Amino acid sequence: EVQLVESGGGLVKPGGSLRLSCAASGFTFSSYSMNWVRQAPGKGLEWVSSISSSSSYIYYADSVKGRFTISRDNAKNSLYLQMNSLRAEDTAVYYCAREKRRNLDYWGQGTLVTVSS
Amino acid sequence: SYVLTQPPSVSVAPGQTARITCGGNNIGSKSVHWYQQKPGQAPVLVVYDDSDRPSGIPERFSGSNSGNTATLTISRVEAGDEADYYCQVWDSSSDHHYVFGTGTKVTVL
Repeated sequence: EVQLVESGGGLVKPGGSLRLSCAASGFTFSSYSMNWVRQAPGKGLEWVSSISSSSSYIYYADSVKGRFTISRDNAKNSLYLQMNSLRAEDTAVYYCAREKRRNLDYWGQGTLVTVSS
Repeated sequence: SYVLTQPPSVSVAPGQTARITCGGNNIGSKSVHWYQQKPGQAPVLVVYDDSDRPSGIPERFSGSNSGNTATLTISRVEAGDEADYYCQVWDSSSDHHYVFGTGTKVTVL
């Protein structure tokens, strides 16, 4: 059974940093591109970042470019999102999701990030 | 950037058919995927590549895509289908490689 479990969310002050993790199991993690998607309270889904299976290709949404860094450790079956210079508008539930043929076929339950003073 | 527009809400009686549209410029040339999200839960893929269903998704969920509109159809609607639904495409011409629709709240009367 495919499982994605996010962790690392919490309350952080504006300008602060946070590192999210996503532990994957139930599939060959190293064979799949992975993504982070976020959802602000009461809002829709917003794609944040993608990383290819071997980390060769990395993409970011304009809203986080230069502040967030996606990475992965295939040996540990883990995906990461380093978030720096956080802003109030980064407050959201952050989901990790597996990519398959340009759709996201499995999602984690999400971790809440709150940016507030 | 590429924009996908959905109606904010759709209401339907149990047993009837709900149709959720997703509008985008020449969306018929792209593959459209649909997600269901119930309150407090993660999204679930219900239709991919316009009209295919992942294993475990009921046949009541179907999709179509042509011209400037893609449609998710839920037949014989049940109370458990009440949720938010999002369409999604992959757009290589935009920095937002994954583009999501604005979302539609389906209410079962």
